[in-house]
Amino acid sequence: AQSVTQPDIHITVSEGASLELRCNYSYGATPYLFWYVQSPGQGLQLLLKYFSGDTLVQGIKGFEAEFKRSQSSFNLRKPSVHWSDAAEYFCAVGAQKLVFGQGTRLTINP
Amino acid sequence: EAGVAQSPRYKIIEKRQSVAFWCNPISGHATLYWYQQILGQGPKLLIQFQNNGVVDDSQLPKDRFSAERLKGVDSTLKIQPAKLEDSAVYLCASSPGPLAASSYTQYFGPGTRLTVL
Repeated sequence: AQSVTQPDIHITVSEGASLELRCNYSYGATPYLFWYVQSPGQGLQLLLKYFSGDTLVQGIKGFEAEFKRSQSSFNLRKPSVHWSDAAEYFCAVGAQKLVFGQGTRLTINP
Repeated sequence: EAGVAQSPRYKIIEKRQSVAFWCNPISGHATLYWYQQILGQGPKLLIQFQNNGVVDDSQLPKDRFSAERLKGVDSTLKIQPAKLEDSAVYLCASSPGPLAASSYTQYFGPGTRLTVL
């Protein structure tokens, strides 16, 4: 069965610091992987996706993610966070049917 | 390009009442999804439509939830009667469909926040 684990429920980083959000998945075939961001009271916005090819994927807002098949991971990174990055981040796996992790809440210290 | 539209944005009802949510997907998108997101959790798929046919409703509580997508465009999700545990955000998403290059990318609406008292 498909599943996604986001080990960190809440992360706090200082503005300007680097960020890495972890995502581990379980999937029976070649996974389609996604990262979404959700600001308070908003829907989910797609940050980036991996279908195949280059394992380092670039997304919007300066985010990138790396697919590591051997570790079943798809971690999200950003070299320097901005206060506007404070939000909830969701990793998801699947094709037509998406399975989401429980999310990681990101807080930014000024 | 207009995104996925949902209404209402907020709804407060008493338990045992009924409620309906509306979704208008991105123009031309063949596939439409309804998700339930309980506070502190990730979204959970309730039902998936391909045009106006149901592809997957295995996680839809059919004793109280129903959904339809007439003419393969707009969709409504109904709860009747509502329970306290139905308090959640209901998200609608759409994707181009199985024949499109980005068929597996889902685009989400702003959601409807339901509070059941």
